[in-house]
Amino acid sequence: AQTVTQSQPEMSVQEAETVTLSCTYDTSESNYYLFWYKQPPSRQMILVIRQEAYKQQNATENRFSVNFQKAAKSFSLKISDSQLGDTAMYFCAFMKPYSGAGSYQLTFGKGTKLSVIP
Amino acid sequence: NAGVMQNPRHLVRRRGQEARLRCSPMKGHSHVYWYRQLPEEGLKFMVYLQKENIIDESGMPKERFSAEFPKEGPSILRIQQVVRGDSAAYFCASSPPRTSGSVLPAGELFFGEGSRLTVL
Repeated sequence: AQTVTQSQPEMSVQEAETVTLSCTYDTSESNYYLFWYKQPPSRQMILVIRQEAYKQQNATENRFSVNFQKAAKSFSLKISDSQLGDTAMYFCAFMKPYSGAGSYQLTFGKGTKLSVIP
Repeated sequence: NAGVMQNPRHLVRRRGQEARLRCSPMKGHSHVYWYRQLPEEGLKFMVYLQKENIIDESGMPKERFSAEFPKEGPSILRIQQVVRGDSAAYFCASSPPRTSGSVLPAGELFFGEGSRLTVL
């Protein structure tokens, strides 16, 4: 079974600064997908960024980028130029490769609560 | 194109009552997933359904919980004889069919806004 660990329950960052959220995972799979989801106070789950394990290049989406270290099973999220709207819970999630039933089953970490301070 | 629609957004039940949560997937999506989020926790997989079929219910409690996705109408998560421990946010997600070897497009799993169940 896969596990996802987020070791930082809460973090804060000054507006316009950069913050990095940590995530480690455990799996015996060689190919898989990793995601960061954002959950603002509205509780909507919003996909921030995703990474395919077979790709060595780190994914980027505007101000969001990841540092994917496959050997270390680490998948951190960097938010640059933090904005007030970035205040939310951030969840790291793991998905196995396609294998038939349950192929879209996500395993989530417990989340990191990020507060952006004006 | 409407997103995943869940209702009710908030539901209050007394212990022993039944709770029914509904989920309408995005247009064109035939796969539905239910996840549960307990306070201070991440989402945990419960069940995966396709139209008229339960594909994977490995995350769903064996008793009191059931799910369906009929040919017509929304998917329904049903909780019988609710207990306080059932208080949680229940999220539905939908996706189009996935085939072996396909590359997963970004955001292919779309979540609804969740239904918050409170058991008194």
